Amino acid sequence: DQQVKQNSPSLSVQEGRISILNCDYTNSMFDYFLWYKKYPAEGPTFLISISSIKDKNEDGRFTVFLNKSAKHLSLHIVPSQPGDSAVYFCAASAYGYALNFGKGTSLLVTP
Amino acid sequence: GAGVSQSPSNKVTEKGKDVELRCDPISGHTALYWYRQSLGQGLEFLIYFQGNSAPDKSGLPSDRFSAERTGGSVSTLTIQRTQQEDSAVYLCASSPETGFETQYFGPGTRLLVL
Repeated sequence: DQQVKQNSPSLSVQEGRISILNCDYTNSMFDYFLWYKKYPAEGPTFLISISSIKDKNEDGRFTVFLNKSAKHLSLHIVPSQPGDSAVYFCAASAYGYALNFGKGTSLLVTP
Repeated sequence: GAGVSQSPSNKVTEKGKDVELRCDPISGHTALYWYRQSLGQGLEFLIYFQGNSAPDKSGLPSDRFSAERTGGSVSTLTIQRTQQEDSAVYLCASSPETGFETQYFGPGTRLLVL
């Protein structure tokens, strides 16, 4: 039973534009959310996180938005760069240990 | 500082054989996690350790899977009598504590069972 869903397997964006990656979850007990970035043959790299007491967290070009009522979060990358091309995983946890991951969205940023 | 390391990076084995996968967490991290990623799937939680104890083994797919952690550091994931469906990338992560802590991942071990 997939509790974290990333419904877009892939996304293509032009360099300099905004990339928006979406994630939905079903478990209302989730209280901590993270985005990871993954290159081929490497482990996931932590990008940004947000706890359920916030609705926005920003780190440089990356902003995560959380809408608890809709059980939805999104990652905005502005401006997008070719080096951002990777697979992005949304993850969520309840009570702070096991992460539940989505299946990932493959982002391609074209020059 | 050194990140999470895993060995071997790749492992090819025959069906029915046992395999051991190793994880060295970041120094000082008390929490350690094992996940696996099968082809086309997201990461699936297997087990986590707080120190040397494993409070949650609920993600282990069958009793062929076991894990231990010694000295609050290195962990070994053992798969007995491997099956072809065990083929996946096995990822280890560590964090300073459990709770609202970021988990840092190793590069993974790619297991192929023939």
